[in-house]
Amino acid sequence: NAGVTQTPKFQVLKTGQSMTLQCAQDMNHEYMSWYRQDPGMGLRLIHYSVGAGITDQGEVPNGYNVSRSTTEDFPLRLLSAAPSQTSVYFCASHLSRSSYNEQFFGPGTRLTVL
Amino acid sequence: AQSVAQPEDQVNVAEGNPLTVKCTYSVSGNPYLFWYVQYPNRGLQFLLKYITGDNLVKGSYGFEAEFNKSQTSFHLKKPSALVSDSALYFCAVREEGSYIPTFGRGTSLIVHP
Repeated sequence: NAGVTQTPKFQVLKTGQSMTLQCAQDMNHEYMSWYRQDPGMGLRLIHYSVGAGITDQGEVPNGYNVSRSTTEDFPLRLLSAAPSQTSVYFCASHLSRSSYNEQFFGPGTRLTVL
Repeated sequence: AQSVAQPEDQVNVAEGNPLTVKCTYSVSGNPYLFWYVQYPNRGLQFLLKYITGDNLVKGSYGFEAEFNKSQTSFHLKKPSALVSDSALYFCAVREEGSYIPTFGRGTSLIVHP
């Protein structure tokens, strides 16, 4: 299994540009999440999905959009990039609604918005 | 509501000495507790978890954690630190019925040779 994969690894955008961060998992996990990691802030949840066709907002959803058309893929869209969205983005997945399942994380995407 | 706190931004320890990284939590119901490690420029990796049963949980790379219900704590420990243990450590909590965990801010562990 490849686990959780993310592309691209690095990205530089100009203010106002849009882009999509890709995330895929091959473990047939129901739950997928997007986090951003900023120094001193830990991990903050952006959006999550509990299955294909179902998404919900996390702690910091503004400026981001998600969709979940398949179990495997969970792309994160930046609608109009802003410097405040400069961060490292992680996608994660876990097996089911059971609260004791651990998450599997992708390697991250480092985004810089100029 | 669930929350978790890691009171130390950084922990310094000499190689060969025991290490402790602290975590306290708050939940409404039963807690499920997790530790993850993040090496530089990598994603988070699962270390260990507490679900129920024995309060001492053993995990990867020689790490263990002790669940203390009365003190609402879940401290990460290792009897003898290695330089290669230097990394960022995250504690996370999910209360029963919660979809998504809440993460602490992370503790940077630095092991000196």
